[in-house]
Amino acid sequence: EIVLTQSPATLSVSPGERATLSCRASQSVGSKLAWYQQKPGQAPRLVIYDAVNRATGIPDRFSGSGSGTAFTLTISSLQSEDFAVYYCQQYNNWPPWTFGQGTKVEIK
Amino acid sequence: EVQLVESGGGLVQRGGSLRVSCAASGFSFSNYWMSWVRQAPGKGLEWVANIREDGSEKEYVDSVKGRFTIFRDNSKNSLSLQMNSLRAEDTAVYYCARGPKNIFGVVFGGWFDSWGQGTLVSVSP
Repeated sequence: EIVLTQSPATLSVSPGERATLSCRASQSVGSKLAWYQQKPGQAPRLVIYDAVNRATGIPDRFSGSGSGTAFTLTISSLQSEDFAVYYCQQYNNWPPWTFGQGTKVEIK
Repeated sequence: EVQLVESGGGLVQRGGSLRVSCAASGFSFSNYWMSWVRQAPGKGLEWVANIREDGSEKEYVDSVKGRFTIFRDNSKNSLSLQMNSLRAEDTAVYYCARGPKNIFGVVFGGWFDSWGQGTLVSVSP
């Protein structure tokens, strides 16, 4: 089973600032990594797939990078609606599909 | 518009059974693998089970093997998860999620691009 480790657990950022979230895989997943955003009381929402592609309707301030075992989600200028928990997920080697433990982006 | 609507959650005693279901609309259901993903209170996401677009393949996370069964009815655009021998640690919101897609026999993707709103399953200890 591939283990995904996200860091930091919590990221405190001021609106308008850049946020950089990390996801590391226990073995290579190639580019088969997705990112999800989840707000309190809501279902997760796909943000990035195949490591670098924005999902439909996702603004271009969100960008994904990386391959192999190290991945990054960057939010270039945080808006109020971006404060949420973000999860990475690998789909290179399944079952099981696995998720990271999440990074909470909170208002500083 | 893609819609996934779960139902069937509730409170059940340890060792009991429950079936949760998901009604799909707005897309060609029979072209997609479907999954159940759960989230325990205050915790992260855990993939539970998935089923191929035609029902021919099913996979489960180890912790539910032999207790949970995923199935689908493409004629009714519905997905279900039969949960038996429930444990306290099965308490979670259960989400129905779409993906990957079968395109002319090739599995495309692996991410979950649409999710239902979730249904809460609570197992009393």
